Amino acid sequence: RKEVEQDPGPFNVPEGATVAFNCTYSNSASQSFFWYRQDCRKEPKLLMSVYSSGNEDGRFTAQLNRASQYISLLIRDSKLSDSATYLCVVTRSSASKIIFGSGTRLSIRP
Amino acid sequence: EAGVAQSPRYKIIEKRQSVAFWCNPISGHATLYWYQQILGQGPKLLIQFQNNGVVDDSQLPKDRFSAERLKGVDSTLKIQPAKLEDSAVYLCASSLVGGAEETQYFGPGTRLLVL
Repeated sequence: RKEVEQDPGPFNVPEGATVAFNCTYSNSASQSFFWYRQDCRKEPKLLMSVYSSGNEDGRFTAQLNRASQYISLLIRDSKLSDSATYLCVVTRSSASKIIFGSGTRLSIRP
Repeated sequence: EAGVAQSPRYKIIEKRQSVAFWCNPISGHATLYWYQQILGQGPKLLIQFQNNGVVDDSQLPKDRFSAERLKGVDSTLKIQPAKLEDSAVYLCASSLVGGAEETQYFGPGTRLLVL
């Protein structure tokens, strides 16, 4: 079993829709959590960190559920420009472990 | 502010040949990472440097891969000899001090094709 798992998708949704996807992690010692965005043939870029209390940045909301060991990303009012792969990242500083999920592909259609 | 620089951007070699990649992190960033990203997968951490010391190289195939960061700034990653399964994008990233909560900034990557 992979330590960080994501639904690969693709999620194909119309513009303006709300879409959400999860990322599960298996190690309860995981400390920090992030969502990165990766456009086709580009490098990953930080979308947002995920805090225990949940956090929101414009149309994007990230949440952490430690009890069930998953993080989520919600995108409201989706735009064509949101089409990308969304990578979940989990870190454990005690073991200097940084683990990326395989990513969820999102495609927004007009 | 200049980002993470990598070269070359593309490389095609035959199996059993050697190849080297270069990375220049963001100025002042103490931590440098090398990742391997195979098509359809997320980046896999190969090695993490803190200044010129290795923090984690547990996933580096040491029989063929080596990396160095001699002066705590630039870094090179070498593969010798290359195998077909080494075809991937090699991403370099840097962060300010390397804390688990820190943002990593990625370079554009080097696309390697091994024939």
